[in-house]
Amino acid sequence: EAAVTQSPRNKVAVTGGKVTLSCNQTNNHNNMYWYRQDTGHGLRLIHYSYGAGSTEKGDIPDGYKASRPSQENFSLILELATPSQTSVYFCASAQGDFGPGTRLTVL
Amino acid sequence: QQQVRQSPQSLTVWEGETAILNCSYENSAFDYFPWYQQFPGEGPALLISILSVSDKKEDGRFTIFFNKREKKLSLHIADSQPGDSATYFCAASAGNTGNYKYVFGAGTRLKVIA
Repeated sequence: EAAVTQSPRNKVAVTGGKVTLSCNQTNNHNNMYWYRQDTGHGLRLIHYSYGAGSTEKGDIPDGYKASRPSQENFSLILELATPSQTSVYFCASAQGDFGPGTRLTVL
Repeated sequence: QQQVRQSPQSLTVWEGETAILNCSYENSAFDYFPWYQQFPGEGPALLISILSVSDKKEDGRFTIFFNKREKKLSLHIADSQPGDSATYFCAASAGNTGNYKYVFGAGTRLKVIA
């Protein structure tokens, strides 16, 4: 069973809408990360967390919020989604264990 | 500013050949370099990694060569197989190996022809 899971796997949202992407890990790792992947850019770090209650800005945090309510769960929140946020989003726990990704399309 | 660069963008080799994927970086503080393999529709998976104190790391058919002075490293895939066809990402991080805040390159898409 996968140690890092993400939901939903696919999401279509409207411009200006709120989107929440969820990540769950069973590794009991303190560190968790959210990346986005776009062609030509590889993966870029949006937010990360050192443990429950902690969130830190990554390299491209603008337009995103994060929430870490527990050791297991880490959410990425787009309060006002824009088409430029159309991408594939990956969650990871420490040691680089990645989830399967969420494909987000903002229309 | 892209701190980690990969070349080539895409590479095609015949089955049995050695594929060579290149990576360079700018930040002298980087000291841990994992390589990831990603198949379409899946998340990246850790393939092999090296610390900057080493100049070579082997794991089966996969070998990393590291040149700290030139800030370059390469992934060699010996006896390439069609199942190796994937996108490979070089990443880098600074500090101790517990810090998995990586900077990724843009990736090399490898195709192995049978």
